[in-house]
Amino acid sequence: GDSVTQMEGPVTLSEEAFLTINCTYTATGYPSLFWYVQYPGEGLQLLLKATKADDKGSNKGFEATYRKETTSFHLEKGSVQVSDSAVYFCALRTGSQGNLIFGKGTKLSVKP
Amino acid sequence: SQTIHQWPATLVQPVGSPLSLECTVEGTSNPNLYWYRQAAGRGLQLLFYSVGIGQISSEVPQNLSASRPQDRQFILSSKKLLLSDSGFYLCAWSQANTEAFFGQGTRLTVV
Repeated sequence: GDSVTQMEGPVTLSEEAFLTINCTYTATGYPSLFWYVQYPGEGLQLLLKATKADDKGSNKGFEATYRKETTSFHLEKGSVQVSDSAVYFCALRTGSQGNLIFGKGTKLSVKP
Repeated sequence: SQTIHQWPATLVQPVGSPLSLECTVEGTSNPNLYWYRQAAGRGLQLLFYSVGIGQISSEVPQNLSASRPQDRQFILSSKKLLLSDSGFYLCAWSQANTEAFFGQGTRLTVV
């Protein structure tokens, strides 16, 4: 079945460091891909999305490119801030019901 | 604009007691609705989804049930809670081919 694999955390970085969180997927057909962010004690917020191959989603300095050839959707940010500390989830959407399938999440901690 | 409300935010319940978590969506019609559970240190598990009133699909066998009595209302229930039901419960909605939007979640602790 469809699945999402993302790098295990936690990831600890210093402020202004470069961030990469790897995400790969397995899916039949052509899924839409998403990154969600969860701040402590809160629900999930959509961070960015891409709906077809070679699309680049971007928001708040984060970006990810839909790579069909490597079935990947890695999240990157050039300079992280303390306020970026959160759990990041990669997800895909497939099927007529559009159910989201999530990776296990990667906890990011950014130190000042 | 669309909004999603989920309550209560936190809940502490004894083992064997019933559960009712409610989720409502405003500003859209005929949404797809979802209940997810997030156990401590783990990812998100889809519990139930609904594409219309009275239409509920269950993803995993468990001690929980879901109902959709109105178009924009989704309820998660249990007749008798187990310790293993503790977790963070998230309601979400989407239209057919768009991203999902999540509520703020309910932290359930079964003691």
